Amino acid sequence: QKEVEQNSGPLSVPEGAIASLNCTYSDRGSQSFFWYRQYSGKSPELIMFIYSNGDKEDGRFTAQLNKASQYVSLLIRDSQPSDSATYLCAVNSDAGGTSYGKLTFGQGTILTVHP
Amino acid sequence: NAGVMQNPRHLVRRRGQEARLRCSPMKGHSHVYWYRQLPEEGLKFMVYLQKENIIDESGMPKERFSAEFPKEGPSILRIQQVVRGDSAAYFCASSPLGQADQYFGPGTRLLVL
Repeated sequence: QKEVEQNSGPLSVPEGAIASLNCTYSDRGSQSFFWYRQYSGKSPELIMFIYSNGDKEDGRFTAQLNKASQYVSLLIRDSQPSDSATYLCAVNSDAGGTSYGKLTFGQGTILTVHP
Repeated sequence: NAGVMQNPRHLVRRRGQEARLRCSPMKGHSHVYWYRQLPEEGLKFMVYLQKENIIDESGMPKERFSAEFPKEGPSILRIQQVVRGDSAAYFCASSPLGQADQYFGPGTRLLVL
């Protein structure tokens, strides 16, 4: 079982729609959860992080965390063609119990927003 | 407010040569992480450092790879006797002391001929 799993996609949505990206993780001790966006040939860009169960909203982005189900998701409202990228879910699962340390990444979901 | 800086951005080496990749963290950040992204693969953790200390090197290959973050100057990822399989994008990230959010540099694309 992979430590962090994402649907590889590609996920295609029309402009203006809601894009929903999902991620599950295997380590129940994980404490911090991150969503990165990576354009082709570029470096990952942090767009959201969440530590507590529930929702966290930032502009058009909402991260949702359910630790009981070991599930984290990212919703992108009013999707734009410029949102087309690979979205990476990352989990901090430091065995030492600290809130920082190495990140374990999923394989990424390719999102395409078509006009 | 400069972000994470990496150089060189592109590096070409022949098999058997050494590669040195440099990373300067964001101002005020004291944690540095190195990740590798092989073609068509995900990002894999390599090593986590603080100044003069290697905190976690569980992702580093056992041979040929080493990393340091000296008291002065950038963090360096060193690959000795490179092989074609080392061709990848190497990303450095940094985070503030006591915080988990990591910010990535532009990466170094290493090509081994």
